[in-house]
Amino acid sequence: DSGVTQTPKHLITATGQRVTLRCSPRSGDLSVYWYQQSLDQGLQFLIHYYNGEERAKGNILERFSAQQFPDLHSELNLSSLELGDSALYFCASSVAVPNTGELFFGEGSRLTVL
Amino acid sequence: GQSLEQPSEVTAVEGAIVQINCTYQTSGFYGLSWYQQHDGGAPTFLSYNGLDGLEETGRFSSFLSRSDSYGYLLLQELQMKDSASYFCAVRDDKGNTPLVFGKGTRLSVIA
Repeated sequence: DSGVTQTPKHLITATGQRVTLRCSPRSGDLSVYWYQQSLDQGLQFLIHYYNGEERAKGNILERFSAQQFPDLHSELNLSSLELGDSALYFCASSVAVPNTGELFFGEGSRLTVL
Repeated sequence: GQSLEQPSEVTAVEGAIVQINCTYQTSGFYGLSWYQQHDGGAPTFLSYNGLDGLEETGRFSSFLSRSDSYGYLLLQELQMKDSASYFCAVRDDKGNTPLVFGKGTRLSVIA
């Protein structure tokens, strides 16, 4: 158990819909990262928050947005969903500066868009 | 930007040794990490190399050559449970920057 909690674990929805994925980082971790993993693909970095502020953006679509709240949990909002958005979405957390490159990943939220 | 190359698949026999290579191109460099991911599971951290040389953690070792932009993960005494995907990842700055992952190497351990 990494200490990172993601909900929901599974989500099935239709094209055009909107969903929210939630992540609670490990106790004390200020950084939250979101990654997308499609079938047979690596982990694509989406966005990074540190202590409530956006720090870096990857290849995140304009239809996607995220935020980190004062209690440090984070939400990833996906809207106008398309079939290609079906993927495993991981949240990871770390201390402020992960000197060893160690991120702690949640179990992921598997999104299926029909 | 950054790019990482690693083989897509490797097969090895139980009890043997396997090496998974990773080459990278980054604008800056602040360490090479390795992660393991079993099917349907979360990636878990295995090792980190910030400096050249070999780091050993039990049956797993990781090597880095910064001059060659190259590293590898060495798995010894392979077990069936080592069947998983292995990802190398880099950061290009020591600041609070995200890890960029390779596409992963799927290791199959056979009897």
